[in-house]
Amino acid sequence: GAVVSQHPSRVICKSGTSVKIECRSLDFQATTMFWYRQFPKQSLMLMATSNEGSKATYEQGVEKDKFLINHASLTLSTLTVTSAHPEDSSFYICSARGVQGGDSPLHFGNGTRLTVT
Amino acid sequence: GIQVEQSPPDLILQEGANSTLRCNFSDSVNNLQWFHQNPWGQLINLFYIPSGTKQNGRLSATTVATERYSLLYISSSQTTDSGVYFCAAETSGSRLTFGEGTQLTVNP
Repeated sequence: GAVVSQHPSRVICKSGTSVKIECRSLDFQATTMFWYRQFPKQSLMLMATSNEGSKATYEQGVEKDKFLINHASLTLSTLTVTSAHPEDSSFYICSARGVQGGDSPLHFGNGTRLTVT
Repeated sequence: GIQVEQSPPDLILQEGANSTLRCNFSDSVNNLQWFHQNPWGQLINLFYIPSGTKQNGRLSATTVATERYSLLYISSSQTTDSGVYFCAAETSGSRLTFGEGTQLTVNP
């Protein structure tokens, strides 16, 4: 089945630094990938839609200059948390669907747990 | 936007018991997915079920799109079934809106 790989699985960084998270589709091509954020004991909230070869689409309330998304190829999207602060500490998870389109489930990576100290 | 509500929010079972989790959604959806999130955060696809009924082992799901709800049945529950169960409604542009989840605890 479709596999989405996310790296790193866990990262601790100091306040003010930037952190890059990678999301790869391993056995399929994905024109669109999605980034979600999950705070402890809460649900997943869509942050942005990453489109291969074009700008990402951000959900209302998500700062695009803080959460930089790059989708440079059909198998890789990256999320960079810039100038991280403790309130950015969260579980970030990506998802993708193959280029065959809507008649297949969205698959999720294993997530990245970010802790900003 | 679409609202997705799950019930119950918490559920405690004895091993071997059966349970039904419910997901209501406020508008028409393109698709409906059920996930199990394990204690390490991994989201496991359970069902992709825009309508009808599907079964996979001890789990089954039914979506009645016209009435805007979906049900997840767990039979003969096991301790490894513990975790959070999410339903997510897919709308335009493949955007998923998640419910708040059901925290399931299965005791031995």
